[in-house]
Amino acid sequence: EDQVTQSPEALRLQEGESSSLNCSYTVSGLRGLFWYRQDPGKGPEFLFTLYSAGEEKEKERLKATLTKKESFLHITAPKPEDSATYLCAVQARINFNKFYFGSGTKLNVKP
Amino acid sequence: NAGVTQTPKFRVLKTGQSMTLLCAQDMNHEYMYWYRQDPGMGLRLIHYSVGEGTTAKGEVPDGYNVSRLKKQNFLLGLESAAPSQTSVYFCASSYSFGNIQYFGAGTRLSVL
Repeated sequence: EDQVTQSPEALRLQEGESSSLNCSYTVSGLRGLFWYRQDPGKGPEFLFTLYSAGEEKEKERLKATLTKKESFLHITAPKPEDSATYLCAVQARINFNKFYFGSGTKLNVKP
Repeated sequence: NAGVTQTPKFRVLKTGQSMTLLCAQDMNHEYMYWYRQDPGMGLRLIHYSVGEGTTAKGEVPDGYNVSRLKKQNFLLGLESAAPSQTSVYFCASSYSFGNIQYFGAGTRLSVL
């Protein structure tokens, strides 16, 4: 069964305290893995797409990496404005019209 | 740049009532999607469309109907609302499957 699990559910960091969010997935052939950011009361906003194991993408303080079973979103020296819920989604190669979203990690960065 | 616009933003229904949620996109995207988001669960795909005049079922289609009469609009209908349909509904669009999905701000629906 295709599924996506994100951990932790919630994460509290002090400003400047680096950490990582995890997205574990089981899918019958990965076509793509997506990271989104969601602010309260808003829709998800695209961050990264990863397609193959070993691939890395960076944007400001965020870096996404991908292995055959999981993806990490590394946050370096976070700021309060990085507080949001981070969602991971996978697209299967066979049923490519389906996207499976994780339940998200709610990040709170304290000043 | 409007992007993806959803109306209404909030709605309260009584059990058995019907309503239509409207999604409009101005990016000339072929693909459009309707999701629901519930606490502790990920976004779940209700229905999607790969182009004007086409619709297909997603993961949780029961109790919902959709129509894509115009390329820019994707409508989600609830014929007889149930409390289990209380949720936040998001519409999204993309150039093609596997491309970036752009989401609207959501519709918060409560069914009493």
